Amino acid sequence: SQQGEEDPQALSIQEGENATMNCSYKTSINNLQWYRQNSGRGLVHLILIRSNEREKHSGRLRVTLDTSKKSSSLLITASRAADTASYFCATDEGFQKLVFGTGTRLLVSP
Amino acid sequence: DGGITQSPKYLFRKEGQNVTLSCEQNLNHDAMYWYRQDPGQGLRLIYYSQIVNDFQKGDIAEGYSVSREKKESFPLTVTSAQKNPTAFYLCASSGRPSGTEAFFGQGTRLTVV
Repeated sequence: SQQGEEDPQALSIQEGENATMNCSYKTSINNLQWYRQNSGRGLVHLILIRSNEREKHSGRLRVTLDTSKKSSSLLITASRAADTASYFCATDEGFQKLVFGTGTRLLVSP
Repeated sequence: DGGITQSPKYLFRKEGQNVTLSCEQNLNHDAMYWYRQDPGQGLRLIYYSQIVNDFQKGDIAEGYSVSREKKESFPLTVTSAQKNPTAFYLCASSGRPSGTEAFFGQGTRLTVV
């Protein structure tokens, strides 16, 4: 079964607004990663947060991790139309096993 | 340029046929992965390999087979035992330690005709 479950499944916002998506997972992890996928393409790595970190920033991205609740959130600030894509969390279960969640489809309208 | 290459981009298979999807990387990565993605869905792990000549089943390995004879290559065979093979297949690789950033190919879209 998949490790991560994203919420919401789909999110529609206007340019300039912030977008928040959440990921829940089931087992202990070494780290959690977020990826982006444009329609019909491969995934691109966005950010990695280790299990001993609580928050991490990269440009307009902010990721939080709560290991006690087994959850993470990805915040994209000041969204642009070009941010339209699907976003996935991925967890490392150890021994190089990388498991992805179900994804959030983000639509940013001009 | 360093990267990961999947071929072909589109593949059509007749029912009852085996087909092999190619995945090659020149990133010198030890780990390689195969995922299946159905429309509007997440990625499900088929097989993964930590090192040459070794691989492990993922969550949906039935009907698929892999080999890892070279570090650079991790081909996936979709066998006739896979009853619903139409999907988008993604290959990825990552370096050590476990859980570092994965790099993805552009995918192969397989359709059964």
